[in-house]
Amino acid sequence: AQSVAQPEDQVNVAEGNPLTVKCTYSVSGNPYLFWYVQYPNRGLQFLLKYITGDNLVKGSYGFEAEFNKSQTSFHLKKPSALVSDSALYFCAVRAPSGGYNKLIFGAGTRLAVHP
Amino acid sequence: EAGVVQSPRYKIIEKKQPVAFWCNPISGHNTLYWYLQNLGQGPELLIRYENEEAVDDSQLPKDRFSAERLKGVDSTLKIQPAELGDSAVYLCASSLSRQNNEQFFGPGTRLTVL
Repeated sequence: AQSVAQPEDQVNVAEGNPLTVKCTYSVSGNPYLFWYVQYPNRGLQFLLKYITGDNLVKGSYGFEAEFNKSQTSFHLKKPSALVSDSALYFCAVRAPSGGYNKLIFGAGTRLAVHP
Repeated sequence: EAGVVQSPRYKIIEKKQPVAFWCNPISGHNTLYWYLQNLGQGPELLIRYENEEAVDDSQLPKDRFSAERLKGVDSTLKIQPAELGDSAVYLCASSLSRQNNEQFFGPGTRLTVL
């Protein structure tokens, strides 16, 4: 069965420090992986995706993610965190289903960046 | 370019009452999705439309939930009657096509059933 796991409910980091938000997945076939961010009272915003190619994917707002096939992981990273990065982050995997685009989301990780 | 529009943003109703949510996707987006997001969880797909056709409604509780996208543009999701457990955020998203990987989300409707 297709699934996504985000093992940390919350990640705390000081402003200016690097951050990592973890994600592991289980899917049949080649994975299509995504990261979305959700600010309070707003919808999910697309950050980045991995489809194929380079394992390191660069996205919006300075975020990047590294695809690791052997560890079935797709961790989100940023070299220097900002207070404004504080939000809820969701990892998602596209489940192949007859060519349809069905996303399965993790439970989310709350990122808190402290000044 | 306008994003996905949803209304209302908030709705409070008593149990057993009906409620409806409206979504207008990004212009030109053929695929429309309704998701349910419970507190502390990620979104879960309820139904997906390709133009006016519902192509995946396997997660939609059909005894009380219904949806339509009559002209293949905007869509309405209805609950009748609402139950306490329906309290959640209902998200609408759209994408250019079923093959397109990027979904754009609206701000959601937060439903509270008392």
